[in-house]
Amino acid sequence: DIVMTQSPDSLAVSLGETATINCKSSQSVLYSSSNNNYLAWYQQKPGQPPKLLIYWSSNRASGVPDRFSGSGSETDFTLTISGLQAEDVAVYYCQQYYTTPETFGQGTKVEIK
Amino acid sequence: QVQLVQSGPEVKKPGASVRVTCRGSGYTFSSYNFNWVRQAPGQGLEWMGWINTYNGNTKYSQKLQGRVSMTTDLSTDTVYMDVRSLRSDDTAVYYCARENFEAGSVSDFWGQGTLVIVSS
Repeated sequence: DIVMTQSPDSLAVSLGETATINCKSSQSVLYSSSNNNYLAWYQQKPGQPPKLLIYWSSNRASGVPDRFSGSGSETDFTLTISGLQAEDVAVYYCQQYYTTPETFGQGTKVEIK
Repeated sequence: QVQLVQSGPEVKKPGASVRVTCRGSGYTFSSYNFNWVRQAPGQGLEWMGWINTYNGNTKYSQKLQGRVSMTTDLSTDTVYMDVRSLRSDDTAVYYCARENFEAGSVSDFWGQGTLVIVSS
């Protein structure tokens, strides 16, 4: 199975500042024929299902504010929240959907400092 | 708009079985496959398996192989997930999630979740 490891486990950021979450996969999730990384980011608030933010490592899902951005390739990926808002307090997960079993990172909790 | 509505919470005894249902609306149901994902209390997300909504083909996690089954009913736009021989560590919120093949089969819409508690 592909192991997904996020860092840090939690972080506190001041309103308006930038939050950066890293995700590392134990093997490449780049599908060479399409040059797409099968890496997604989700946001989960308490009592709610995960919400898709980013797919193919850097494509924002429909309706997602542009303060959320994803980058990276092969095994190293980053989710950046620029200009943190109060409503961004949540747990964020990365996920590889390159192969089954699809696997998730352990989650990163983002709070307001 | 796309909606996935799941069945309500369940309380089961160890050894029993549970069925969770997920009904889709707002899109062509048979054109999209589903993943099932569960989340134990205070824990992360665990992929359970996948079903091809159109032909019923399935793929299950090794961990749950033999205890889980997923089926589909195109007449009611519903997918079903059954877990047998329940144990206390099956206590979790269970989610269905639609796969979007246009985005590489990422799970783009999720049901609201169904809490299953396994307790004697």
